[in-house]
Amino acid sequence: EVQLVESGGGLVQPGGSLRLSCVVSGFTVSNNYMNWVRQAPGKGLEWVSVLYVGGNSYYTDSVKGRFTISRDNSKNTLYLQMNNLRADDTAVYYCARGYQVQLWAFDSWGQGTLVTVSS
Amino acid sequence: DIQMTQSPSSLSASIGDRVIITCQASQDISNYLNWYQQKPGNAPKLLIYDAADLQTGVPSRFSGSGSGTDFTFTISSLQSEDSATYYCQQYDTLPLTFGQGTRVQIK
Repeated sequence: EVQLVESGGGLVQPGGSLRLSCVVSGFTVSNNYMNWVRQAPGKGLEWVSVLYVGGNSYYTDSVKGRFTISRDNSKNTLYLQMNNLRADDTAVYYCARGYQVQLWAFDSWGQGTLVTVSS
Repeated sequence: DIQMTQSPSSLSASIGDRVIITCQASQDISNYLNWYQQKPGNAPKLLIYDAADLQTGVPSRFSGSGSGTDFTFTISSLQSEDSATYYCQQYDTLPLTFGQGTRVQIK
């Protein structure tokens, strides 16, 4: 069974850092496009970042230079290191797997972890 | 960035009604469009990929069509469990972008 479980969210002050984790089971993180998607409270979905199979990554402009996506193959885990956090980063963060048939369609998602940036 | 505009933002319909949601891209995205359903407190669920292909296990009352800049998502006969917010998503160009969502309520 495919499962994605996020953790690491919480309350952090502006300018602070958090590292989100997404532990997966039922498939191999390194064999799939892996993404982070966020959703601000009461708002729509916003794609944040992708980690390609080959190890390259891409970010939406608002997080470039502040967020880093990575994976640990031995732990089958995806990460999102978030630095210099701002109030507008407050959101539920989901990890999502790219579908093998259409790599940019997200066929499996975690339950999400809430990040709140506030003083 | 490619802007995705969904219409309407919300709708209310009766059980058995045909529901149509449109999604317009700010530039030609071929058929590089997906549709998701999200219920409150839950992660999104993939329904349609490549504009018209039904994801495995998704009921056939859901369908998608379109190409270029104009796309349509249809629920042929609305069921109570279809109460949710629906999002389109383009993948022609990074960054990936979503529509603002369409909330579907049952009358």
